[in-house]
Amino acid sequence: KNEVEQSPQNLTAQEGEFITINCSYSVGISALHWLQQHPGGGIVSLFMLSSGKKKHGRLIATINIQEKHSSLHITASHPRDSAVYICAVRSSANYGGSQGNLIFGKGTKLSVKP
Amino acid sequence: ETGVTQTPRHLVMGMTNKKSLKCEQHLGHNAMYWYKQSAKKPLELMFVYSLEERVENNSVPSRFSPECPNSSHLFLHLHTLQPEDSALYLCASSQGYLSYEQYFGPGTRLTVT
Repeated sequence: KNEVEQSPQNLTAQEGEFITINCSYSVGISALHWLQQHPGGGIVSLFMLSSGKKKHGRLIATINIQEKHSSLHITASHPRDSAVYICAVRSSANYGGSQGNLIFGKGTKLSVKP
Repeated sequence: ETGVTQTPRHLVMGMTNKKSLKCEQHLGHNAMYWYKQSAKKPLELMFVYSLEERVENNSVPSRFSPECPNSSHLFLHLHTLQPEDSALYLCASSQGYLSYEQYFGPGTRLTVT
């Protein structure tokens, strides 16, 4: 079992739909990141959060530390939102030989159809 | 030029070749990272340099050899690779090690034939 699990693995939506991507983790963390990877490979950091909620444009990220769960929401989705969304956590304890390195989920591939 | 750049963007090499991947960051950061991204797998951390000193080496085969000559440049030297090493290799940098947001380069798509 991966330490960071994302669901769904693949998601297809119609333009304008509200989208939710979920991330659950099993280790203690100091921060959680949401990343966006477009075809071609480049990764962009969307959010870094350790509590509560953050909003940037049409994107909203929430985290529940007690439940070890985070969600990424996209409102009024658009075809240009099509990408792989990756959840990564920064461990807070000695994990795998080092503390503080990022542990990545496998990503959620989002396709928004016009 | 801004951000994190990587060259080449695509590389095809035979198993007996020697090649190098280059990463350069123009952000004034002190930590740099190499990641490997294989199909259907999460990103895997390979190496971390902080203030030009290697601080992390996650059981990476010796056919991958990193070099960090200064805080702005990071290299990954490749020799006698295997086909299973074909992947996207991503470089990242951050202001400091461990607790800072990482900025990623566009990656080098490596194919080993």
